[in-house]
Amino acid sequence: GAVVSQHPSWVICKSGTSVKIECRSLDFQATTMFWYRQFPKKSLMLMATSNEGSKATYEQGVEKDKFLINHASLTLSTLTVTSAHPEDSSFYICSARDRLAGGREQYFGPGTRLTVT
Amino acid sequence: AQTVTQSQPEMSVQEAETVTLSCTYDTSESNYYLFWYKQPPSRQMILVIRQEAYKQQNATENRFSVNFQKAAKSFSLKISDSQLGDTAMYFCASYHQGGSEKLVFGKGTKLTVNP
Repeated sequence: GAVVSQHPSWVICKSGTSVKIECRSLDFQATTMFWYRQFPKKSLMLMATSNEGSKATYEQGVEKDKFLINHASLTLSTLTVTSAHPEDSSFYICSARDRLAGGREQYFGPGTRLTVT
Repeated sequence: AQTVTQSQPEMSVQEAETVTLSCTYDTSESNYYLFWYKQPPSRQMILVIRQEAYKQQNATENRFSVNFQKAAKSFSLKISDSQLGDTAMYFCASYHQGGSEKLVFGKGTKLTVNP
């Protein structure tokens, strides 16, 4: 149980285009999902917290107009990188909190590697 | 504010031996949880072990155990009988229930298990 999927696992896009990453909780309901960014050999950096049916809460320094987050259902959250630039290239990880399990643990997706050329 | 500190950027151990990874944290809250996550080369984050702050007994999961020293705010991870598959980044993290609801991660320790 407690499986989180991400799609795509990797994506290459051209500078100036937008790319959408999906995060799904496959076997549980996730009222809260989190989006992280991870640079090579570094820790996870929280970008934003999304709650189902409401606007995402962004961490300080994260451009909300650039990183659009939508959490339309209890099993799906999306991150759209708009007008991507090479500096947006990174590894993006989502996680989801299992509401029925008391919400203490986060289950992580396998990540999406974004390369902007 | 919560902080988590991992002071060992890299460690190595011989296969079948025991290794301990250090973690200290800072919090003013009383209701919190501590975690160790493993991130192998595949980069999939895997929960290794969890400790509830209100429990005095140290958590154990097979070859993995913690030494939770609440007064010292220390939460070390011991890996016994190390295996090659244990090679990974290990992240210590804290979570406060009723607080920010966010996981706060340390910077990680890269563990290499040598044959």
